[in-house]
Amino acid sequence: AAGVIQSPRHLIKEKRETATLKCYPIPRHDTVYWYQQGPGQDPQFLISFYEKMQSDKGSIPDRFSAQQFSDYHSELNMSSLELGDSALYFCASSNNDGGRGTYEQYFGPGTRLTVT
Amino acid sequence: ELKVEQNPLFLSMQEGKNYTIYCNYSTTSDRLYWYRQDPGKSLESLFVLLSNGAVKQEGRLMASLDTKARLSTLHITAAVHDLSATYFCAVGRETSGSRLTFGEGTQLTVNP
Repeated sequence: AAGVIQSPRHLIKEKRETATLKCYPIPRHDTVYWYQQGPGQDPQFLISFYEKMQSDKGSIPDRFSAQQFSDYHSELNMSSLELGDSALYFCASSNNDGGRGTYEQYFGPGTRLTVT
Repeated sequence: ELKVEQNPLFLSMQEGKNYTIYCNYSTTSDRLYWYRQDPGKSLESLFVLLSNGAVKQEGRLMASLDTKARLSTLHITAAVHDLSATYFCAVGRETSGSRLTFGEGTQLTVNP
């Protein structure tokens, strides 16, 4: 079965640089979510989109922005990178299924961002 | 603010033994999820619990939900080394696009 695709899988940037992470949800999934996971920590919710509209917003820094496109893929843009942004970034997708779904979130393999 | 607490945070057990991981959450919630994560890897969905009294089993793992007590448990039966991983519970709402709030995770090590 098709899974969530994230690219790139690994990214090394310097402080103050910009990074763009991409997420391709499972086919026919209409909702994407972004999470940040630091070493030894639980995933922290950043932002989500349902049918291309922002749905929920967590502790996402103002330096970050995201959007969902017409083909349902999503991009997370990160500017003025800081050392503390080094983490594993997960995208997840779910299928609303007209309100009948379980809203179960399926996670991608993650992008490991290292800021030096 | 929703809080999700797991215990224990670290669990070392011998193969063949049984144990339970507990997940408490602070406010009414619609859905409870259990995920498994191997080091540096993605989160694998194990169980989705949608209603009070729900019980689901897969292999050596069984999850249950008590919404009145705001408690979910993940029971491990006759542990094997392959179960070594970090297990997260997460709480969600019945709304499109709403976040999951995760517990701190339980790092399980099963020793031969």
